[in-house]
Amino acid sequence: QVTLKESGPVLVKPTETLTLTCFVSGFSVGNGRMGVAWIRQPPGKALEWLAYIFSNAEKIYTTSLQDRLSISEDTSKSQVVLSVTNVDLGDTATYYCARIVAGESPMGFVYAFDVWGQGTMVTVAS
Amino acid sequence: DIQLTQSPSSLSASVGDRVTLTCRASQSISSFLNWYQQKPGEVPKLLIYAASTLQGGVPSRFSGSRSGTDFTLTISSLQPEDFASYYCQQSYSIPYTFGQGTQVEIK
Repeated sequence: QVTLKESGPVLVKPTETLTLTCFVSGFSVGNGRMGVAWIRQPPGKALEWLAYIFSNAEKIYTTSLQDRLSISEDTSKSQVVLSVTNVDLGDTATYYCARIVAGESPMGFVYAFDVWGQGTMVTVAS
Repeated sequence: DIQLTQSPSSLSASVGDRVTLTCRASQSISSFLNWYQQKPGEVPKLLIYAASTLQGGVPSRFSGSRSGTDFTLTISSLQPEDFASYYCQQSYSIPYTFGQGTQVEIK
């Protein structure tokens, strides 16, 4: 059974660095084109993809936040870590990690987020 | 960035109704379009990937289609458990983007 679970602080102060950990079980990151993505959702708003990782040599960030994001994996611990530097009020959101997989289609492989963690709510406030 | 515009933003429907949700991409994304369902207080769930391929375990009343840059999610007969928000998402190019969502409410 594939599961993902996020862990991190509930409250972070402006300008601090937010560090979130995703604990993965039931699959190996980078095996068979399976990786881990981070997605966030501000209260009452839409989803926003942040980053994904297939290995420490293959990681991609959303362009608007790439200067503030860092994603890494610890395969020995089955963990993926996301750091967000210099947080502000706009970073208040539920943060999800999800498995990103390549689904076969007539066009080739299409990537989708097929299993999600329960999410962790992070509030940025002084 | 590719913009995804969903319409309507919300709709009210009755159990048994046929419901159609639309997602329009700002440029061609071929069929690199996925649909997710999110019930209140719950985690998003993948329904359809590659515009029309049903994810395993998803009821067959859900279907997806594409016409150019317009994508449609259809629920053939709305069930009580289908009242939720639905999001489209493109994986054609980085950054991956989501639509703003359509909320399906009980009439």
